[in-house]
Amino acid sequence: NAGVTQTPKFQVLKTGQSMTLQCAQDMNHNSMYWYRQDPGMGLRLIYYSASEGTTDKGEVPNGYNVSRLNKREFSLRLESAAPSQTSVYFCASSRSSGYTEAFFGQGTRLTVV
Amino acid sequence: QQQVKQSPQSLIVQKGGISIINCAYENTAFDYFPWYQQFPGKGPALLIAIRPDVSEKKEGRFTISFNKSAKQFSLHIMDSQPGDSATYFCAASKAPGGYQKVTFGTGTKLQVIP
Repeated sequence: NAGVTQTPKFQVLKTGQSMTLQCAQDMNHNSMYWYRQDPGMGLRLIYYSASEGTTDKGEVPNGYNVSRLNKREFSLRLESAAPSQTSVYFCASSRSSGYTEAFFGQGTRLTVV
Repeated sequence: QQQVKQSPQSLIVQKGGISIINCAYENTAFDYFPWYQQFPGKGPALLIAIRPDVSEKKEGRFTISFNKSAKQFSLHIMDSQPGDSATYFCAASKAPGGYQKVTFGTGTKLQVIP
């Protein structure tokens, strides 16, 4: 009963480095999402994938790219990390579009120095 | 543009007391209002949700009150317990569906002291 699994849990990057955050869900959900959480800002949507094979920009997509590798996996890539990308990143999934519940992973705490 | 305003930012309540968190929204097209609970080091988890066709929804010690005319909704936690200490997020979304359309409030950090 893993639900949504994110790796890594913690990461420190130097400015300009790249990295990929991995996310996998085992609930056979169609839709997956990447959010960032910053103090006083709530959760902001970076990118989402409504179904396998599709991805779309959310509220704050600049500096990020995503790949929906298959139905289970949705990765987030930072090509050239900046200090402004220091945040906690959450992956989530939901059964489909509509008002179904979204399930969140435990988060990745990323620090860019 | 902040479409969902949440207050207070932090809240300290005595064990057994009532915790109240308020949210206000601007977009009258919003028609789904979930609340999320997040414990330290964990991801948010759906706590309770309401649609505007009802004015109140209760699940155990948690109640959502909804005022459509005022464009406000609130979470009440009755008989608050130390285990309720967490950050609570309100949210809102509008039809057509799709979780990508959910807008979150900024969160309230609740501490329940013995």
